[in-house]
Amino acid sequence: AQSVTQLGSHVSVSEGALVLLRCNYSSSVPPYLFWYVQYPNQGLQLLLKYTTGATLVKGINGFEAEFKKSETSFHLTKPSAHMSDAAEYFCVLSGARSYQLTFGKGTKLSVIP
Amino acid sequence: DTGVSQDPRHKITKRGQNVTFRCDPISEHNRLYWYRQTLGQGPEFLTYFQNEAQLEKSRLLSDRFSAERPKGSFSTLEIQRTEQGDSAMYLCASSSQGGEETQYFGPGTRLLVL
Repeated sequence: AQSVTQLGSHVSVSEGALVLLRCNYSSSVPPYLFWYVQYPNQGLQLLLKYTTGATLVKGINGFEAEFKKSETSFHLTKPSAHMSDAAEYFCVLSGARSYQLTFGKGTKLSVIP
Repeated sequence: DTGVSQDPRHKITKRGQNVTFRCDPISEHNRLYWYRQTLGQGPEFLTYFQNEAQLEKSRLLSDRFSAERPKGSFSTLEIQRTEQGDSAMYLCASSSQGGEETQYFGPGTRLLVL
Protein backbone atom coordinates (compact mmCIF):
# COMPACT_ATOMS: atom_id res chain seq x y z
CA ALA A 1 0.00 0.00 0.00
CA GLN A 2 1.11 3.52 -0.73
CA SER A 3 0.64 6.54 1.49
CA VAL A 4 1.70 10.15 1.78
CA THR A 5 1.94 12.13 4.98
CA GLN A 6 2.22 15.90 4.96
CA LEU A 7 3.27 17.34 8.28
CA GLY A 8 1.26 20.41 9.13
CA SER A 9 -2.07 21.19 7.55
CA HIS A 10 -1.32 24.90 7.80
CA VAL A 11 2.04 26.68 7.63
CA SER A 12 2.56 30.42 8.01
CA VAL A 13 5.73 32.21 6.99
CA SER A 14 6.72 35.84 6.70
CA GLU A 15 7.34 37.33 3.29
CA GLY A 16 11.01 36.76 2.43
CA ALA A 17 11.41 33.85 4.83
CA LEU A 18 12.27 30.26 3.99
CA VAL A 19 9.41 28.02 2.97
CA LEU A 20 9.66 24.39 4.11
CA LEU A 21 6.76 22.00 3.53
CA ARG A 22 7.33 18.46 4.76
CA CYS A 23 6.32 15.26 3.03
CA ASN A 24 7.00 11.64 3.90
CA TYR A 25 5.88 8.71 1.83
CA SER A 26 5.50 4.98 2.04
CA SER A 27 5.80 2.83 -1.05
CA SER A 28 6.75 -0.77 -1.69
CA VAL A 29 8.10 0.10 -5.15
CA PRO A 30 10.36 2.88 -6.38
CA PRO A 31 8.23 5.99 -6.18
CA TYR A 32 7.53 8.82 -8.52
CA LEU A 33 6.96 11.93 -6.39
CA PHE A 34 5.29 15.20 -7.26
CA TRP A 35 4.34 18.47 -5.68
CA TYR A 36 1.18 20.12 -6.98
CA VAL A 37 -0.13 23.55 -5.99
CA GLN A 38 -3.76 24.60 -5.88
CA TYR A 39 -4.59 28.29 -5.92
CA PRO A 40 -8.08 29.36 -4.84
CA ASN A 41 -10.66 28.62 -7.52
CA GLN A 42 -8.03 27.15 -9.81
CA GLY A 43 -7.01 23.66 -10.85
CA LEU A 44 -4.03 21.72 -9.55
CA GLN A 45 -0.78 22.83 -11.12
CA LEU A 46 2.39 20.74 -11.23
CA LEU A 47 5.25 22.41 -9.36
CA LEU A 48 7.92 19.75 -9.78
CA LYS A 49 8.45 16.02 -10.03
CA TYR A 50 10.99 13.33 -9.22
CA THR A 51 11.08 10.17 -11.28
CA THR A 52 14.66 8.91 -11.52
CA GLY A 53 18.12 10.43 -11.61
CA ALA A 54 19.08 13.60 -9.77
CA THR A 55 17.54 13.67 -6.32
CA LEU A 56 17.35 17.46 -6.10
CA VAL A 57 14.67 18.65 -8.46
CA LYS A 58 13.86 22.22 -9.34
CA GLY A 59 10.42 23.39 -10.24
CA ILE A 60 8.56 26.51 -11.19
CA ASN A 61 8.45 29.72 -9.16
CA GLY A 62 11.75 29.03 -7.38
CA PHE A 63 10.62 25.86 -5.58
CA GLU A 64 12.76 22.78 -5.23
CA ALA A 65 12.53 19.42 -3.49
CA GLU A 66 14.98 16.72 -2.54
CA PHE A 67 14.24 13.02 -2.72
CA LYS A 68 15.79 11.23 0.27
CA LYS A 69 15.24 7.50 0.00
CA SER A 70 16.78 6.72 3.39
CA GLU A 71 14.36 9.11 5.08
CA THR A 72 11.44 8.39 2.72
CA SER A 73 11.02 12.14 2.40
CA PHE A 74 10.39 14.66 -0.35
CA HIS A 75 10.29 18.06 1.36
CA LEU A 76 9.50 21.20 -0.64
CA THR A 77 11.53 24.36 -0.11
CA LYS A 78 11.81 27.90 -1.40
CA PRO A 79 14.47 30.30 -0.10
CA SER A 80 12.27 33.40 0.02
CA ALA A 81 8.48 33.42 0.23
CA HIS A 82 6.39 35.77 -1.88
CA MET A 83 2.82 36.81 -1.20
CA SER A 84 1.84 35.04 -4.43
CA ASP A 85 2.98 31.69 -2.95
CA ALA A 86 -0.07 31.57 -0.69
CA ALA A 87 -1.92 28.44 -1.79
CA GLU A 88 -2.49 24.81 -0.88
CA TYR A 89 0.33 22.39 -1.67
CA PHE A 90 -0.07 18.67 -2.20
CA CYS A 91 2.63 16.03 -2.08
CA VAL A 92 1.74 13.21 -4.46
CA LEU A 93 3.02 9.69 -4.98
CA SER A 94 2.68 7.25 -7.80
CA GLY A 95 4.23 3.83 -7.85
CA ALA A 96 3.86 0.66 -9.79
CA ARG A 97 0.33 1.58 -10.88
CA SER A 98 1.51 4.88 -12.22
CA TYR A 99 -1.90 6.03 -13.38
CA GLN A 100 -3.20 6.18 -9.82
CA LEU A 101 -1.89 9.15 -7.87
CA THR A 102 -1.95 9.09 -4.08
CA PHE A 103 -2.28 12.55 -2.58
CA GLY A 104 -1.36 13.81 0.84
CA LYS A 105 -3.98 15.83 2.71
CA GLY A 106 -2.39 19.09 1.68
CA THR A 107 -0.65 21.97 3.44
CA LYS A 108 -2.14 25.42 3.24
CA LEU A 109 0.64 28.02 3.06
CA SER A 110 -0.03 31.53 4.30
CA VAL A 111 2.47 34.33 3.67
CA ILE A 112 2.42 37.20 6.13
CA PRO A 113 3.47 40.63 4.86
CA ASP B 1 -2.89 23.35 -26.01
CA THR B 2 -5.89 24.70 -24.17
CA GLY B 3 -5.55 22.50 -21.10
CA VAL B 4 -8.12 20.25 -19.48
CA SER B 5 -11.59 21.75 -19.29
CA GLN B 6 -14.56 20.71 -17.16
CA ASP B 7 -18.21 21.64 -17.32
CA PRO B 8 -20.04 22.80 -15.35
CA ARG B 9 -17.77 24.47 -12.83
CA HIS B 10 -20.46 24.43 -10.16
CA LYS B 11 -23.59 22.33 -9.69
CA ILE B 12 -26.22 22.51 -6.98
CA THR B 13 -28.76 19.73 -6.92
CA LYS B 14 -31.32 18.20 -4.61
CA ARG B 15 -30.83 14.81 -3.02
CA GLY B 16 -32.07 12.05 -5.28
CA GLN B 17 -31.46 13.87 -8.55
CA ASN B 18 -29.05 12.69 -11.23
CA VAL B 19 -26.13 14.84 -12.33
CA THR B 20 -23.63 14.56 -15.18
CA PHE B 21 -20.26 16.22 -15.52
CA ARG B 22 -18.11 16.55 -18.60
CA CYS B 23 -14.34 16.58 -19.01
CA ASP B 24 -12.42 17.52 -22.15
CA PRO B 25 -8.79 16.41 -21.91
CA ILE B 26 -5.76 17.87 -23.63
CA SER B 27 -6.27 16.85 -27.24
CA GLU B 28 -3.29 14.55 -27.72
CA HIS B 29 -3.69 12.78 -24.37
CA ASN B 30 -5.08 9.27 -24.50
CA ARG B 31 -5.33 8.72 -20.74
CA LEU B 32 -8.03 10.34 -18.63
CA TYR B 33 -8.63 10.19 -14.89
CA TRP B 34 -11.35 11.21 -12.47
CA TYR B 35 -10.67 12.15 -8.85
CA ARG B 36 -12.87 13.36 -6.00
CA GLN B 37 -11.75 15.92 -3.44
CA THR B 38 -13.69 16.53 -0.25
CA LEU B 39 -13.14 19.44 2.09
CA GLY B 40 -9.82 19.29 3.89
CA GLN B 41 -8.62 16.24 2.00
CA GLY B 42 -6.42 15.58 -0.99
CA PRO B 43 -7.97 14.26 -4.19
CA GLU B 44 -8.83 10.55 -4.26
CA PHE B 45 -8.65 8.42 -7.39
CA LEU B 46 -11.98 7.29 -8.83
CA THR B 47 -11.36 5.84 -12.27
CA TYR B 48 -9.06 5.80 -15.29
CA PHE B 49 -9.47 5.46 -19.05
CA GLN B 50 -6.99 4.61 -21.72
CA ASN B 51 -8.62 5.74 -24.95
CA GLU B 52 -12.23 4.54 -24.62
CA ALA B 53 -11.49 1.64 -22.28
CA GLN B 54 -12.16 2.05 -18.57
CA LEU B 55 -9.24 0.13 -17.09
CA GLU B 56 -9.51 0.78 -13.37
CA LYS B 57 -12.23 1.73 -10.91
CA SER B 58 -11.72 2.57 -7.26
CA ARG B 59 -13.93 0.99 -4.63
CA LEU B 60 -14.99 4.59 -3.92
CA LEU B 61 -16.96 4.44 -7.18
CA SER B 62 -20.26 3.01 -6.00
CA ASP B 63 -22.82 1.59 -8.41
CA ARG B 64 -24.53 4.99 -8.47
CA PHE B 65 -21.51 6.36 -10.32
CA SER B 66 -20.79 5.68 -13.97
CA ALA B 67 -18.13 7.11 -16.21
CA GLU B 68 -17.81 6.88 -19.97
CA ARG B 69 -15.41 7.96 -22.65
CA PRO B 70 -17.24 6.79 -25.77
CA LYS B 71 -14.89 7.97 -28.49
CA GLY B 72 -11.70 8.20 -26.52
CA SER B 73 -11.92 11.97 -26.34
CA PHE B 74 -14.18 13.68 -23.79
CA SER B 75 -15.51 11.83 -20.76
CA THR B 76 -18.65 12.07 -18.66
CA LEU B 77 -19.17 11.18 -15.03
CA GLU B 78 -22.76 10.58 -13.97
CA ILE B 79 -24.00 10.28 -10.41
CA GLN B 80 -27.46 8.80 -10.01
CA ARG B 81 -29.71 9.36 -7.00
CA THR B 82 -27.32 11.86 -5.46
CA GLU B 83 -26.73 11.85 -1.71
CA GLN B 84 -25.44 14.62 0.51
CA GLY B 85 -22.20 12.67 0.92
CA ASP B 86 -21.55 13.11 -2.79
CA SER B 87 -20.91 16.82 -2.23
CA ALA B 88 -17.30 17.34 -3.31
CA MET B 89 -15.04 18.72 -6.01
CA TYR B 90 -14.77 16.34 -8.96
CA LEU B 91 -11.47 16.67 -10.77
CA CYS B 92 -10.48 15.40 -14.18
CA ALA B 93 -6.90 14.92 -15.37
CA SER B 94 -5.27 13.70 -18.53
CA SER B 95 -1.88 12.40 -19.58
CA SER B 96 -0.16 10.92 -22.57
CA GLN B 97 0.89 7.29 -22.60
CA GLY B 98 4.53 6.53 -22.12
CA GLY B 99 7.30 8.61 -20.66
CA GLU B 100 6.71 10.05 -17.24
CA GLU B 101 2.98 10.50 -17.78
CA THR B 102 2.49 13.69 -15.84
CA GLN B 103 -1.19 14.21 -15.10
CA TYR B 104 -2.59 17.64 -15.95
CA PHE B 105 -5.68 18.65 -14.04
CA GLY B 106 -8.75 20.61 -14.96
CA PRO B 107 -10.36 23.25 -12.71
CA GLY B 108 -12.89 20.81 -11.31
CA THR B 109 -16.65 20.70 -10.90
CA ARG B 110 -17.89 21.57 -7.44
CA LEU B 111 -21.03 19.63 -6.54
CA LEU B 112 -23.34 20.56 -3.68
CA VAL B 113 -26.17 18.19 -2.86
CA LEU B 114 -28.90 19.74 -0.72
